Amino acid sequence: GNSVTQMEGPVTLSEEAFLTINCTYTATGYPSLFWYVQYPGEGLQLLLKATKADDKGSNKGFEATYRKETTSFHLEKGSVQVSDSAVYFCALVTGGGNKLTFGTGTQLKVEL
Amino acid sequence: EAGVTQFPSHSVIEKGQTVTLRCDPISGHDNLYWYRRVMGKEIKFLLHFVKESKQDESGMPNNRFLAERTGGTYSTLKVQPAELEDSGVYFCASSQETRGEQYFGPGTRLTVT
Repeated sequence: GNSVTQMEGPVTLSEEAFLTINCTYTATGYPSLFWYVQYPGEGLQLLLKATKADDKGSNKGFEATYRKETTSFHLEKGSVQVSDSAVYFCALVTGGGNKLTFGTGTQLKVEL
Repeated sequence: EAGVTQFPSHSVIEKGQTVTLRCDPISGHDNLYWYRRVMGKEIKFLLHFVKESKQDESGMPNNRFLAERTGGTYSTLKVQPAELEDSGVYFCASSQETRGEQYFGPGTRLTVT
């Protein structure tokens, strides 16, 4: 079956620090990969996605590259802001399906 | 355009009671999904509606859970009778296309005591 493994949180960073949140996966077939973000009191929002190997998804300064050889999709941002404080979820979907498989989520807290 | 809305935002009930969660998808979205996050673990798929039909209910944990989408608009998820392990956050999502981007609601936090 499909599964997603994310690094444990919470992650606490100072503003302008570099962020990496690790995500690895196992999947049958060739998955599409996603990062979702949940800000306090809000629903999950799609942050970025990549649908094939070596694709790079990017949005709001965040990036993630689909690495088939390492089955990874690590989230990075060069300089985080307090407003980036949220819970980040890595997810995948395989084949023609629409059933998302999520990781456990990583809480990020950015302090001044 | 209004997003996906869920009601209530929080619910606290006793073991053995019944609770009904409601989801209103984005207008015009035929696809509606229910997911659940239990005790800080991963978010897990429960089921998928296309209009009023259940397309995939493979994630429903047991027969204490009943989901409906009469008329193909809003959906309800009833838990009867509730057990302690049902506590968690229940998310609803909708999409226009079957494989399109899913838009999530804020979730309903259910606490069973």
